[in-house]
Amino acid sequence: ETGVTQTPRHLVMGMTNKKSLKCEQHLGHNAMYWYKQSAKKPLELMFVYNFKEQTENNSVPSRFSPECPNSSHLFLHLHTLQPEDSALYLCASSLRGVSDSGANVLTFGAGSRLTVL
Amino acid sequence: AQKITQTQPGMFVQEKEAVTLDCTYDTSDQSYGLFWYKQPSSGEMIFLIYQGSYDEQNATEGRYSLNFQKARKSANLVISASQLGDSAMYFCAMRDYSGNTGKLIFGQGTTLQVKP
Repeated sequence: ETGVTQTPRHLVMGMTNKKSLKCEQHLGHNAMYWYKQSAKKPLELMFVYNFKEQTENNSVPSRFSPECPNSSHLFLHLHTLQPEDSALYLCASSLRGVSDSGANVLTFGAGSRLTVL
Repeated sequence: AQKITQTQPGMFVQEKEAVTLDCTYDTSDQSYGLFWYKQPSSGEMIFLIYQGSYDEQNATEGRYSLNFQKARKSANLVISASQLGDSAMYFCAMRDYSGNTGKLIFGQGTTLQVKP
């Protein structure tokens, strides 16, 4: 069982819906991340939270809204999405904060497969 | 700008043989780290191996080894004695330590299929 749990694993939504993706880790990690994985594209970093503070927004459209209420939970709120937003959304966490040097190994969840109709 | 390039979209290997997955990177920084991840069809990204830019020896983890050639800016993954369970997508990634964003930049990935 992975240390990072993502729910739901699959989500189908219309363009006018509002839904949320949830990520949970009980590894005691200090940083959490959202990545987007589209077909035939490298993983794209979306957001980074370092000790619950957002430190990176990689030019993500405002229809994606992250929330990190505590160091163990990360949400991605979705509203008025477009069909091109269909992708696998991966959550990850790391023990070290993002400004720490050294091997900062990310532990990933299994992803939430999103389909926007 | 940092970039990771994996030029092999797909690779085949016979079970029990060794296979090398290529990765080249581009950075102007002196301090960086290189990672390899495996992604089975289940979707989860699994960390395999890490190499720091100042590490003098090539990293090894069980059947995985990283062939690090700094001057050529390459960090190829070698999998020895391939197993059927090694069939997956493999991603090379780089982290820049000179900045503070902690960004991990990924390559496009290589799909490996192990034949029985």
